[in-house]
Amino acid sequence: DAKTTQPPSMDCAEGRAANLPCNHSTISGNEYVYWYRQIHSQGPQYIIHGLKNNETNEMASLIITEDRKSSTLILPHATLRDTAVYYCIVRVAFPHGSSNTGKLIFGQGTTLQVKP
Amino acid sequence: DAGVIQSPRHEVTEMGQEVTLRCKPISGHDYLFWYRQTMMRGLELLIYFNNNVPIDDSGMPEDRFSAKMPNASFSTLKIQPSEPRDSAVYFCASTGLAGGAQYFGPGTRLTVL
Repeated sequence: DAKTTQPPSMDCAEGRAANLPCNHSTISGNEYVYWYRQIHSQGPQYIIHGLKNNETNEMASLIITEDRKSSTLILPHATLRDTAVYYCIVRVAFPHGSSNTGKLIFGQGTTLQVKP
Repeated sequence: DAGVIQSPRHEVTEMGQEVTLRCKPISGHDYLFWYRQTMMRGLELLIYFNNNVPIDDSGMPEDRFSAKMPNASFSTLKIQPSEPRDSAVYFCASTGLAGGAQYFGPGTRLTVL
């Protein structure tokens, strides 16, 4: 699986958009970009994933550059409850029914501090 | 849905004792994962199952660790004998799709004295 690089920490004002960058310059054509977050003392939580098109769900938006070497997770209106460690992970997605899922390899992530 | 259920939430034991951690995955999920999180090593995958069969146990640290999944709704992670360096938070996760979102439980905080 490709390695990712994230800034160790970021601050964001409450109500503002939080833009979390991730570099994955060695990503392969069949690898997806996944984002998880971990709020203090809780288990990691899935946020979003994508292959090459931009994706949006109720939690966030994922913008992937055309060359797929980097991406940005956007929390449109950050709240204090969004304070967490955010992990960017790339891995191969296996077909439905496959016994192999590939591994989620968590790096150090970005600690996002949302401030009032 | 109750989500992934883990028990106990906290476990304190003495070195040399056997420890058993339990996990109930989300109903209908075919994949179950055991992770360990420490300050030094971060979050690392220990083992995962598909349809109750272990697929990849390359992350299991040593023979003191064993994991079983006797049926689709229950899995255990056992450490025997336990050592202080096993102190960590152990998470269980499940998913219904290969490559799909993994849903994590609240974790078991293990302290080995």
